[in-house]
Amino acid sequence: DAGVIQSPRHEVTEMGQEVTLRCKPISGHNSLFWYRQTMMRGLELLIYFNNNVPIDDSGMPEDRFSAKMPNASFSTLKIQPSEPRDSAVYFCASSLSGYGNQPQHFGDGTRLSIL
Amino acid sequence: QKEVEQNSGPLSVPEGAIASLNCTYSDRGSQSFFWYRQYSGKSPELIMSIYSNGDKEDGRFTAQLNKASQYVSLLIRDSQPSDSATYLCAVVGMDSNYQLIWGAGTKLIIKP
Repeated sequence: DAGVIQSPRHEVTEMGQEVTLRCKPISGHNSLFWYRQTMMRGLELLIYFNNNVPIDDSGMPEDRFSAKMPNASFSTLKIQPSEPRDSAVYFCASSLSGYGNQPQHFGDGTRLSIL
Repeated sequence: QKEVEQNSGPLSVPEGAIASLNCTYSDRGSQSFFWYRQYSGKSPELIMSIYSNGDKEDGRFTAQLNKASQYVSLLIRDSQPSDSATYLCAVVGMDSNYQLIWGAGTKLIIKP
């Protein structure tokens, strides 16, 4: 079975540019999560969706960040404009249920570098 | 404040020995507990889940849960160099609106 698929795997861009990260969750999973991981702050939940609806975006750091889930098999995380402090590894994860009793399964991540 | 605490390590264990990783949590209403393994440069990978008090065994891994004392642990028997990784504890509870609260992880090093 295919796992969570993220693209691109690596992204290097200059400050001020728009960055779009993409995620395809595991088929049949109802919940999708976007995380950011840095050495300083560890794993941080940015936003999660349940049945394509954003439930909690309190972890989104600023208005420069936005996320969408137009259908059950695709989600995007967009940063516009990007800043060097956005450099991190961004993970997408999915689970059968959004209520925590089901484990989350992670994609390989996007390593983002903003110059 | 919702918290999941882990010793950051590194925890160094000789090959073949038992590695013991511990995690404490603050939300008494927590119901689901997970251990993830993360190799350097890779994504977190689920290795164990536990939902009720006691022990749960899966191969060389044993998860232990004590809700009264609010801790969950992971034992790795017959440790192998390939077990060297960071182990993340994640806890779900009512205070977090049933979302995962992550520990910072314990770095485990298995010495040949």
